[in-house]
Amino acid sequence: QKEVEQDPGPLSVPEGAIVSLNCTYSNSAFQYFMWYRQYSRKGPELLMYTYSSGNKEDGRFTAQVDKSSKYISLFIRDSQPSDSATYLCATFTGGFKTIFGAGTRLFVKA
Amino acid sequence: DTGVSQDPRHKITKRGQNVTFRCDPISEHNRLYWYRQTLGQGPEFLTYFQNEAQLEKSRLLSDRFSAERPKGSFSTLEIQRTEQGDSAMYLCASSWTSGGASNEQFFGPGTRLTVL
Repeated sequence: QKEVEQDPGPLSVPEGAIVSLNCTYSNSAFQYFMWYRQYSRKGPELLMYTYSSGNKEDGRFTAQVDKSSKYISLFIRDSQPSDSATYLCATFTGGFKTIFGAGTRLFVKA
Repeated sequence: DTGVSQDPRHKITKRGQNVTFRCDPISEHNRLYWYRQTLGQGPEFLTYFQNEAQLEKSRLLSDRFSAERPKGSFSTLEIQRTEQGDSAMYLCASSWTSGGASNEQFFGPGTRLTVL
């Protein structure tokens, strides 16, 4: 079993839709959770960063962590074609090794 | 403002050849990481430096792989006797820590290696 599981998609939505992206993880020691966005042939860029459980909002993006169920989510409101990318969830224990999910490919159709 | 840079962006080589990649981190960052990413997968951790010290190597990093970070600045990743299975995107990332737990990593654009 992978430490971080993520549905690879692809996920296709119309412009303006609310997008929900999800991951599960296995190690309850994970405390820090990130979402990265990766455009084709580019390196990942950090979108959201949360510690422990709870919600964090940044513009159209909301990250949610539920440690009791080991479930992390990213919501994108009013999705735009420019949001089309691969979204990677990631976590680490507080040291240095970051563990990534496989990424979910998102397509937002105009 | 310069982010993390990597060179070359693309490398095509024949099986058995040696290749070397370079990463220049964000200047004030003391931590540097190498990852490997294959198609349809997330980045997989390879190795990590804090300043010039290599503190951790993944089991993915076979004896054919070596990484250095002289003087705690740029880093190189060398692959000797390349194999077709080494074909992947090699990503470098850097971060700053002053003793806190934050580990927000900033990634470079990657070097795409193709081994023929």
